[in-house]
Amino acid sequence: SAVISQKPSRDICQRGTSLTIQCQVDSQVTMMFWYRQQPGQSLTLIATANQGSEATYESGFVIDKFPISRPNLTFSTLTVSNMSPEDSSIYLCSHNGVGTDTQYFGPGTRLTVL
Amino acid sequence: DAKTTQPTSMDCAEGRAANLPCNHSTISGNEYVYWYRQIHSQGPQYIIHGLKNNETNEMASLIITEDRKSSTLILPHATLRDTAVYYCIVSPGEKDSNYQLIWGAGTKLIIKP
Repeated sequence: SAVISQKPSRDICQRGTSLTIQCQVDSQVTMMFWYRQQPGQSLTLIATANQGSEATYESGFVIDKFPISRPNLTFSTLTVSNMSPEDSSIYLCSHNGVGTDTQYFGPGTRLTVL
Repeated sequence: DAKTTQPTSMDCAEGRAANLPCNHSTISGNEYVYWYRQIHSQGPQYIIHGLKNNETNEMASLIITEDRKSSTLILPHATLRDTAVYYCIVSPGEKDSNYQLIWGAGTKLIIKP
């Protein structure tokens, strides 16, 4: 599977600010996804990042709060906007394996909002 | 909502086989069974998946019952590094779900020395 990395690995932010998380894959992939994992919880899909078009958001997530970019087939960003302590979570990106239905995940970004 | 039911936690002795059950009684004919695990503070790691036949790879074996309503993930010789939360997920894969995975709570597997 393609190697996937995220930056930053962790951050501590003040409420009201925004943070952009980067996700890089070392080869071209069709689908990229962004998940949130709140403390002690399972993963929840935020959106699917589509290359060349707007992201597709899941119920409960909106573009104004979580704008996503997908400028090419190897890179995506997720911005957490106007943060509050409730946004403290691990944010994970993933991609589908080339020619498979399997998803592969990055190491995650641990965000703490004070 | 997740379509799977797993025990909340399990223990296994190091060196023994760890058998993790999963119920998916409402699975559809086109849905695969996927297993992932998440070691503390890391991203989920893909383990194995199958449709109806049993599958084996270098990490684990997946046994799916004939009626496909349940499955068991087997780690043949568990080590301390296998301590993690194990997630069983059913998904149609690309054609019908656009690769969407719906995650349940998983099973916290603790390997004891």
